[in-house]
Amino acid sequence: DIQMTQSPSSVSASVGDRVTITCRASQGISSWLAWYQQKPGKAPKLLIYAASSLQSGVPSRFSGGGSGTEFTLTISSLQPEDFATYYCQQANSFPYTFGQGTKLEIK
Amino acid sequence: QVQLVQSGAEVKKPGASVKISCKGSGDSFTSHYMHWVRQAPGQGPEWMGIINPGGETTSYAQKFQGRVTMTRDTSTGTVYMELSSLRSEDTAVYYCARDRSTVPGKGRYFDPWGQGTLVTVSS
Repeated sequence: DIQMTQSPSSVSASVGDRVTITCRASQGISSWLAWYQQKPGKAPKLLIYAASSLQSGVPSRFSGGGSGTEFTLTISSLQPEDFATYYCQQANSFPYTFGQGTKLEIK
Repeated sequence: QVQLVQSGAEVKKPGASVKISCKGSGDSFTSHYMHWVRQAPGQGPEWMGIINPGGETTSYAQKFQGRVTMTRDTSTGTVYMELSSLRSEDTAVYYCARDRSTVPGKGRYFDPWGQGTLVTVSS
């Protein structure tokens, strides 16, 4: 199975800050990667797919990058509604696997 | 806009089985692959398997092989996931999720998701 490792596991930031989360795959996955946002008690929500494509309806302050084994999710200017947990997911091969999550907290 | 509505919470004893339903709306549901993903308390999501639009083909994560069965009723627009031989480690929220694409191959992304069904396994 492909292991997905996110860093950091948690980060504190303020409204207006720029934040970057990293996801590393244990083997190359080209650009077959997604990012999800999850708020407490809710289902995950797709933000980014194919490493850098913005899902319809997602604000443009979210952006994704990378290929191969290293990927990033950047939020350019944090808004109050962005404080949540973020997961990466590889879509290269079965079984599809997720990172352990990065919790974004208010400083 | 497609919505996925899942069945309600379940409490099961070890060794029992659970069957969860997920009903979708609209044509944009019937032509998509569907996935099941679970999330144990405080953990990241875990992919369980996929079923094709016609319900003829499934692929399961090896971890669940022999215990999970995914089916699809195309006449009612409902997909089902049955997990047998339940143990305490199966306590989790189970989600159905539509595949973003309608074609096979790489790039399976999950959008949208159902609201989740909590399954508690306890003696």
